[in-house]
Amino acid sequence: DAKTTQPTSMDCAEGRAANLPCNHSTISGNEYVYWYRQIHSQGPQYIIHGLKNNETNEMASLIITEDRKSSTLILPHATLRDTAVYYCIVRVEGSGTYKYIFGTGTRLKVLA
Amino acid sequence: DTEVTQTPKHLVMGMTNKKSLKCEQHMGHRAMYWYKQKAKKPPELMFVYSYEKLSINESVPSRFSPECPNSSLLNLHLHALQPEDSALYLCASTDRYNEQFFGPGTRLTVL
Repeated sequence: DAKTTQPTSMDCAEGRAANLPCNHSTISGNEYVYWYRQIHSQGPQYIIHGLKNNETNEMASLIITEDRKSSTLILPHATLRDTAVYYCIVRVEGSGTYKYIFGTGTRLKVLA
Repeated sequence: DTEVTQTPKHLVMGMTNKKSLKCEQHMGHRAMYWYKQKAKKPPELMFVYSYEKLSINESVPSRFSPECPNSSLLNLHLHALQPEDSALYLCASTDRYNEQFFGPGTRLTVL
């Protein structure tokens, strides 16, 4: 299964953009990249996903390199409520359904 | 109804007990998942049900027994657990766009 690697932790000043990197060098052509975040051991919350093209929604932007070996999640204006663990995930196909393989996660702390 | 619910929120059990975790969604999602999450670790996939049939078992010990009685309900039956099985157990379902919706989890402590 494709694996992801992420930095263990990052700090970001409130109001600034938070850029969270993820390496997924063994990703296959049809495997999507997903990002979720988890606050205080609640259930993970969906942020965004993509295959090849850059994606943007109301929460974040996802930039995927042309070779698809890495991606960056961008929170454009981080707030204190964005403090969480951010997981980069690769969705792989298996047994007629999909598995979501979580990376080790980046603990983002937004500082006032 | 746009959420996944899990009961109970907390569960303490002895190693000889039998208990069950319950997960429910009424969003019409046809794939449902169980994950186990230890402290400060990412969620690890345990089981996947697709259209009420078990499609993936990630080599989970038989003391964990999943069940999908209908398209809205997913159970995890627990028997003869070990203290190292203490963890947060997360349920999720996926919509037709393959976005996963997670429940709040059940925090299990095995004494």
